[in-house]
Amino acid sequence: QKEVEQNSGPLSVPEGAIASLNCTYSDRVSQSFFWYRQYSGKSPELIMSIYSNGDKEDGRFTAQLNKASQYVSLLIRDSQPSDSATYLCAVNTETSYDKVIFGPGTSLSVIP
Amino acid sequence: GAVVSQHPSWVICKSGTSVKIECRSLDFQATTMFWYRQFPKQSLMLMATSNEGSKATYEQGVEKDKFLINHASLTLSTLTVTSAHPEDSSFYICSAPGRDRYGYTFGSGTRLTVV
Repeated sequence: QKEVEQNSGPLSVPEGAIASLNCTYSDRVSQSFFWYRQYSGKSPELIMSIYSNGDKEDGRFTAQLNKASQYVSLLIRDSQPSDSATYLCAVNTETSYDKVIFGPGTSLSVIP
Repeated sequence: GAVVSQHPSWVICKSGTSVKIECRSLDFQATTMFWYRQFPKQSLMLMATSNEGSKATYEQGVEKDKFLINHASLTLSTLTVTSAHPEDSSFYICSAPGRDRYGYTFGSGTRLTVV
């Protein structure tokens, strides 16, 4: 079983809509969860980090964490064409706090 | 904020040659550096973890004799791809844990093309 899984995509949403990205993880004792955005040919950039169950909002982005279900999601409100990118879910591992495992990524396309 | 400078940003080399990629932490000390490889349309795959002053830890399936990692100081980690082959062509990215729990700082990546 893969450690971090994401909905495969590609995901297409119209401009102004809500984009919903999902991620599940297998390591039950994971404590830190991250969403990164990666444009083609570029390094990932951190969008959100979340550590506690519930919702965390930052501008148009909301991360949701449910440790019991081993599930973390990212909602993007009022999606813009500039949000078109690959979104990577990342989870720290049990063996080392600093070691992060990335999911396969979900490609998002926001259609003007 | 924490900055990791990665060089070169791209490199083209001939098969059989070696290529060195450098990652420097500019405004913080990085005792640990993670090295990732990313093939087109795939996610980042952790190759190895370098630790200042000690041997690197390689992930399963990664050849330690082919991908030489050196972390000689608190601000510099290097990855050398030895005897490169076309299948080594990929995007290589380094990352260091940030000062706090808020994510990890990535280098800008190195696009390696082996011809």
